[in-house]
Amino acid sequence: AQKVTQAQTEISVVEKEDVTLDCVYETRDTTYYLFWYKQPPSGELVFLIRRNSFDEQNEISGRYSWNFQKSTSSFNFTITASQVVDSAVYFCALDPGYSSASKIIFGSGTRLSIRP
Amino acid sequence: SQTIHQWPATLVQPVGSPLSLECTVEGTSNPNLYWYRQAAGRGLQLLFYSVGIGQISSEVPQNLSASRPQDRQFILSSKKLLLSDSSFYLCAWSPGQGPNYGYTFGSGTRLTVV
Repeated sequence: AQKVTQAQTEISVVEKEDVTLDCVYETRDTTYYLFWYKQPPSGELVFLIRRNSFDEQNEISGRYSWNFQKSTSSFNFTITASQVVDSAVYFCALDPGYSSASKIIFGSGTRLSIRP
Repeated sequence: SQTIHQWPATLVQPVGSPLSLECTVEGTSNPNLYWYRQAAGRGLQLLFYSVGIGQISSEVPQNLSASRPQDRQFILSSKKLLLSDSSFYLCAWSPGQGPNYGYTFGSGTRLTVV
């Protein structure tokens, strides 16, 4: 079965703290994509990153970094020196089919609140 | 560049009234199109997806239906709204060929049924 689990329903930290959002996935496919999306209060989902199953290199983009561990089926997202504008719901997602015909499976989301 | 338009942004409808939400994509051909629903404080639920004109797949049986009358147009409808249809509805698209590089979402429609 394909599944994405975001065990943290809500996280609240003080501004400038680092915070990690956990994501664990399940799939039998050997080739797949993983994604993170951000949903600010406005509601629109914003694409953050895509990672394919063959690339386990960690990625850093400014204050954002992603840790892909195939051995533990995890794709965690860390925000360094968090800011109030980072407050949003974050979704981890899995494309298990590695093709245009497959459908992305979303986790239930983690609501992140950054307190000033 | 590709863009996705979804309207209206907000909608308040009485119970029993019909619904029509529209989504259009520009700058691409033969996209895959999706309708998602998100209840308040909840995750995303896939309602319908389409890989071509007139081809609709339903993920969840419910009071809603979808149609794709044109290549880049996707419509979510209901003949009679229920209170439980109140939700945030999102349209999305992805390329129709090649690996799925992720969905691009519209800005959403917040529907309140009263």
